[in-house]
Amino acid sequence: DGGITQSPKYLFRKEGQNVTLSCEQNLNHDAMYWYRQDPGQGLRLIYYSQIVNDFQKGDIAEGYSVSREKKESFPLTVTSAQKNPTAFYLCASSMSGTDTQYFGPGTRLTVL
Amino acid sequence: QKEVEQDPGPLSVPEGAIVSLNCTYSNSAFQYFMWYRQYSRKGPELLMYTYSSGNKEDGRFTAQVDKSSKYISLFIRDSQPSDSATYLCAMSANQAGTALIFGKGTTLSVSS
Repeated sequence: DGGITQSPKYLFRKEGQNVTLSCEQNLNHDAMYWYRQDPGQGLRLIYYSQIVNDFQKGDIAEGYSVSREKKESFPLTVTSAQKNPTAFYLCASSMSGTDTQYFGPGTRLTVL
Repeated sequence: QKEVEQDPGPLSVPEGAIVSLNCTYSNSAFQYFMWYRQYSRKGPELLMYTYSSGNKEDGRFTAQVDKSSKYISLFIRDSQPSDSATYLCAMSANQAGTALIFGKGTTLSVSS
């Protein structure tokens, strides 16, 4: 059953802690993306990767980091430098040369 | 002026109504247009994909693009309570696997 999985579904973090959100896809897609969604804000791009071992900053990359060591995986770390990390985080992927993105179910991060 | 404008609603209609959802954009380079449906606390799912101007129909859904006016629409015929969701428009200028530009979404509620 092909798709994108994100874990965990809900995540709670204390201020000052780093936390890593998982994103895995078995669609054989080359490109992967991380978005943040806040109420009334739409989707904002954090990072994206078009190929293994390469990634680019999006519009709101400050306070976040990513890695792309495997084609199937694109984890996102929310660092303590991110001032307002409470949000719904969405991972997406697309085939090389296309712009149609498919989304995972999301992770809701709450900072306590 | 924001790149993509979308009325957030909420839009409330009775079951069976025809729904019209719209986005305007400012970048004349956009060629690829998508509509996503997002249920509460879920990831967006691709609903419609259109290239350049014209109409595309899929069941009860019709996507319309007017590049001369920089205006796209999604029509839902015979709306159902299960159509209650947030609808996001998205667009891009090329197929290079770069990020999409999203509208903020319109929340639709269909009452039975």
